[in-house]
Amino acid sequence: NAGVTQTPKFRVLKTGQSMTLLCAQDMNHEYMYWYRQDPGMGLRLIHYSVGEGTTAKGEVPDGYNVSRLKKQNFLLGLESAAPSQTSVYFCASSWPFGLWTGGLGETEAFFGQGTRLTVV
Amino acid sequence: DQQVKQNSPSLSVQEGRISILNCDYTNSMFDYFLWYKKYPAEGPTFLISISSIKDKNEDGRFTVFLNKSAKHLSLHIVPSQPGDSAVYFCAATTRYNNNDMRFGAGTRLTVKP
Repeated sequence: NAGVTQTPKFRVLKTGQSMTLLCAQDMNHEYMYWYRQDPGMGLRLIHYSVGEGTTAKGEVPDGYNVSRLKKQNFLLGLESAAPSQTSVYFCASSWPFGLWTGGLGETEAFFGQGTRLTVV
Repeated sequence: DQQVKQNSPSLSVQEGRISILNCDYTNSMFDYFLWYKKYPAEGPTFLISISSIKDKNEDGRFTVFLNKSAKHLSLHIVPSQPGDSAVYFCAATTRYNNNDMRFGAGTRLTVKP
């Protein structure tokens, strides 16, 4: 009953270092998303994917890259970390509205537990 | 440009009373709204949603009201329980582009025993 799993849960990076955050979902969802959560800002969409092999920019994409080589995995990369990227990162997955399975509750996004990243 | 706003960062209520969390949006294209609940060190979890074709949706103790003309929605929790203490996020999207879901900044609800 894993749902959405993020790796790692915590990480401290030095400015300029690179890293990749991994998101895995076992619900066969088409859509996957990466959000960041900052105090007073809510969750902001970084990048998203509507299917295997596709990615698109969200609200705050600068400084990040993503890849979706397999349907169940969505990777978020930071090529050269900056202190402004200190945040809590959440991955999520969902069905698109077109795959209606009945009931409003079927269309929500399922979130991972988050990755707390600190860039010093 | 925050298209979804939750103007109350925190709310404290007594157990058994009603909790009312408010949310305003600016984009008239939004036609589907959701509330998520988040406990510390966990990801947000879906609570309840409402489509713009309705003005009310109930699920047990939780009711969401939508006022399209005012671009306002609210979440009512009756009766409030200590286990409801969490951060509540309002979110909005369009049914034909639900890959762009916008969230409010969240309201921290504390229910006192």
